Amino acid sequence: EPEVTQTPSHQVTQMGQEVILRCVPISNHLYFYWYRQILGQKVEFLVSFYNNEISEKSEIFDDQFSVERPDGSNFTLKIRSTKLEDSAMYFCASRFGTFPNTEAFFGQGTRLTVV
Amino acid sequence: AQSVTQPDIHITVSEGASLELRCNYSYGATPYLFWYVQSPGQGLQLLLKYFSGDTLVQGIKGFEAEFKRSQSSFNLRKPSVHWSDAAEYFCAVGTTDKLIFGTGTRLQVFP
Repeated sequence: EPEVTQTPSHQVTQMGQEVILRCVPISNHLYFYWYRQILGQKVEFLVSFYNNEISEKSEIFDDQFSVERPDGSNFTLKIRSTKLEDSAMYFCASRFGTFPNTEAFFGQGTRLTVV
Repeated sequence: AQSVTQPDIHITVSEGASLELRCNYSYGATPYLFWYVQSPGQGLQLLLKYFSGDTLVQGIKGFEAEFKRSQSSFNLRKPSVHWSDAAEYFCAVGTTDKLIFGTGTRLQVFP
């Protein structure tokens, strides 16, 4: 069964460093998402991406964040200068179409720890 | 603003007992509603979804949920819980292009 793959599963970085979280969405999907879950809190929407551009972003997704689909298969989330409060589980998701006809498939997540 | 409330942070049941996890939503239009499950160390797996039609929807693993517009609720149920159902359960409402999640309910199952 096709699945969304995220790497790495766990990343530790020092405050102020840049990190890139990688995702390989399901191959025929067209809509891509990043969500995050701070420990003990709910899953929060960060950004949606379609047709090589951001279609929607949340207040969390400030200038320190960026997304890219560099080669038609990977979908990356970059945090330019990490802060302690960026420590969270980051989930990538993809979908073939929009609601209501298709569901979003989530990856296993990347746990980011900023020290 | 759209929101999802899951009033129960933690629920403990005995194996074989019935289960109901509560979910209330706030959304102006017809909601697209979902339940996801997150097992320890795993990603989010879709249990079931409601778009329209029959208000009682069946999902995987023996789960079902009932949409009640008058109560703005979408409660998840299972008649007999198995130990493997221990996990975190998230209710979500879908807007035009994203999911808004509740805070989750952690289910613990005792043998």
